[in-house]
Amino acid sequence: GAVVSQHPSRVICKSGTSVKIECRSLDFQATTMFWYRQFPKQSLMLMATSNEGSKATYEQGVEKDKFLINHASLTLSTLTVTSAHPEDSSFYICSVRGVGVTGELFFGEGSRLTVL
Amino acid sequence: KQEVTQIPAALSVPEGENLVLNCSFTDSAIYNLQWFRQDPGKGLTSLLLIQSSQREQTSGRLNASLDKSSGRSTLYIAASQPGDSATYLCAVDQGNAGNMLTFGGGTRLMVKP
Repeated sequence: GAVVSQHPSRVICKSGTSVKIECRSLDFQATTMFWYRQFPKQSLMLMATSNEGSKATYEQGVEKDKFLINHASLTLSTLTVTSAHPEDSSFYICSVRGVGVTGELFFGEGSRLTVL
Repeated sequence: KQEVTQIPAALSVPEGENLVLNCSFTDSAIYNLQWFRQDPGKGLTSLLLIQSSQREQTSGRLNASLDKSSGRSTLYIAASQPGDSATYLCAVDQGNAGNMLTFGGGTRLMVKP
């Protein structure tokens, strides 16, 4: 079964509105979750690392005020795209590192954001 | 900085063929390497994970190998089927706590019936 669940899977919004995407770890508690962005026909690019109970760590070039991350519990991280614009339209995917020695990464199903 | 390259970028084969997807990386100090499958508009499904101390992993018709010293991994798909059509991504993991995962550009596979 799914280890990581994302919601919503698709969202369409008007330019200027804010959109929240949820990422839930279903099988275990996750102190750290990762948010990726994927443009069409391109690979995944890490946006930020979400840390439970503390501030997220953002990758270079990612606007922290634009992409707000909240990791309020050990099973839930949220990504809010604030004042969304068409260029923010993308596929957003979260991941969780599994417990155990392999450190396998599990990914959510992704959330397709379209900003009109 | 780790760089991961996948060749070919796209591949089209008739059903039943055996095929090999290639992944190369520049920094051999890796923790593990994962192969993922991504269907259009979907998230990533983990196929195989090879730890740095291992040389290969097998799951059904899939076999992944790892040669750390040469910075290469291959994903072998036996007796390909149309349902195997997807994008295959390799990702090199350089950390066991934080995220030091670097993805390749992917190989888009089309298996024709």
